[in-house]
Amino acid sequence: EAGVTQFPSHSVIEKGQTVTLRCDPISGHDNLYWYRRVMGKEIKFLLHFVKESKQDESGMPNNRFLAERTGGTYSTLKVQPAELEDSGVYFCASSQGVQGFFETQYFGPGTRLLVL
Amino acid sequence: GDSVTQMEGPVTLSEEAFLTINCTYTATGYPSLFWYVQYPGEGLQLLLKATKADDKGSNKGFEATYRKETTSFHLEKGSVQVSDSAVYFCALSARNAGKSTFGDGTTLTVKP
Repeated sequence: EAGVTQFPSHSVIEKGQTVTLRCDPISGHDNLYWYRRVMGKEIKFLLHFVKESKQDESGMPNNRFLAERTGGTYSTLKVQPAELEDSGVYFCASSQGVQGFFETQYFGPGTRLLVL
Repeated sequence: GDSVTQMEGPVTLSEEAFLTINCTYTATGYPSLFWYVQYPGEGLQLLLKATKADDKGSNKGFEATYRKETTSFHLEKGSVQVSDSAVYFCALSARNAGKSTFGDGTTLTVKP
């Protein structure tokens, strides 16, 4: 079974440009999460999809970030326009739709974003 | 809100040394607790978990016990190997919240 995949693995862009990150969750997983690790600090939650609906987007830093999950399969996270402080590693995770707080999240390898 | 505090790194040990990485948490209710590991060039992998007080999670020789009275979930291994070199993250997930809250991560380097 394929794991969570993310594309691209690395992205280097200039301040003011747009970047779109993609995440393909494990097939059949209803829950999809985006996280970010900036400057070697903690991994911070960005948002949570249940199928195509945004369940919790309390971690989105500002309106320059737009996440979508059309059709409830893969998800994209667009940063427009990118700022220097957006640099970091963006992780995606997925889990099944089973109720309960002990559900295992499976993480992708991350996208390393560098904004110059 | 919820938070996780990890022992500051980096940590450098010799092969076969004993490892402890401290983790304490603040959360309402009774969260589940996790340790994740990120090997160089790879994504996060779940190392072990515990879902209630006094549970012990274990995997690959690593252990951690859910201590509600001290709000801790310290990671231990009796004899580390070079292949254990990685970044270790402590995390919690509150009941029905879905999202996880992570610590800063601790970089472990094991030298032969």
